[in-house]
Amino acid sequence: NAGVTQTPKFQVLKTGQSMTLQCAQDMNHNSMYWYRQDPGMGLRLIYYSASEGTTDKGEVPNGYNVSRLNKREFSLRLESAAPSQTSVYFCASSALADTGELFFGEGSRLTVL
Amino acid sequence: GENVEQHPSTLSVQEGDSAVIKCTYSDSASNYFPWYKQELGKRPQLIIDIRSNVGEKKDQRIAVTLNKTAKHFSLHITETQPEDSAVYFCAASDSGGYQKVTFGTGTKLQVIP
Repeated sequence: NAGVTQTPKFQVLKTGQSMTLQCAQDMNHNSMYWYRQDPGMGLRLIYYSASEGTTDKGEVPNGYNVSRLNKREFSLRLESAAPSQTSVYFCASSALADTGELFFGEGSRLTVL
Repeated sequence: GENVEQHPSTLSVQEGDSAVIKCTYSDSASNYFPWYKQELGKRPQLIIDIRSNVGEKKDQRIAVTLNKTAKHFSLHITETQPEDSAVYFCAASDSGGYQKVTFGTGTKLQVIP
């Protein structure tokens, strides 16, 4: 089992460009999440999907959109990238919506120039 | 919303000594408190968690304590080893329908051989 796989691992964008981060999990988990990690700020929730067919905003959703394509896949889209979106992005999944271990992907380092 | 504060931001200990990381939370509805370890360049991984109906939990050299009245919880690592060097994140979550996990800002632990 690969666990949680996210692509790409690295990406450099220019301001205003768009891109999509892809995430897939093979653990049959119901819930999936997108976090961003910035120095000194911990992990902040961007969007989450408690179950297939549902998505909701987290703590820092502005400038992002998500799609829960099916139970396995949860993508994060930046429509018009800004330098403030330079960060490391982590996708995560959990078996249950209300509690339990988060399984993280390896992270995607995004730089917006 | 929930606010999790974590101290210290950096911690250096000699190999074999103990390390203590402290966190406070604001939302009395929080009832699940996980700790994640993130090695340099790697994904966060769960190392231990505690629920609000338990005051203390141990797993070999690591232990977590919870004081619900004071709304604080702590991670204790005994007999530290160089491989314990990493960033540690505390988190708090309530079970209100989905796992809205709020993370602390992290503690960088350095174990000096």
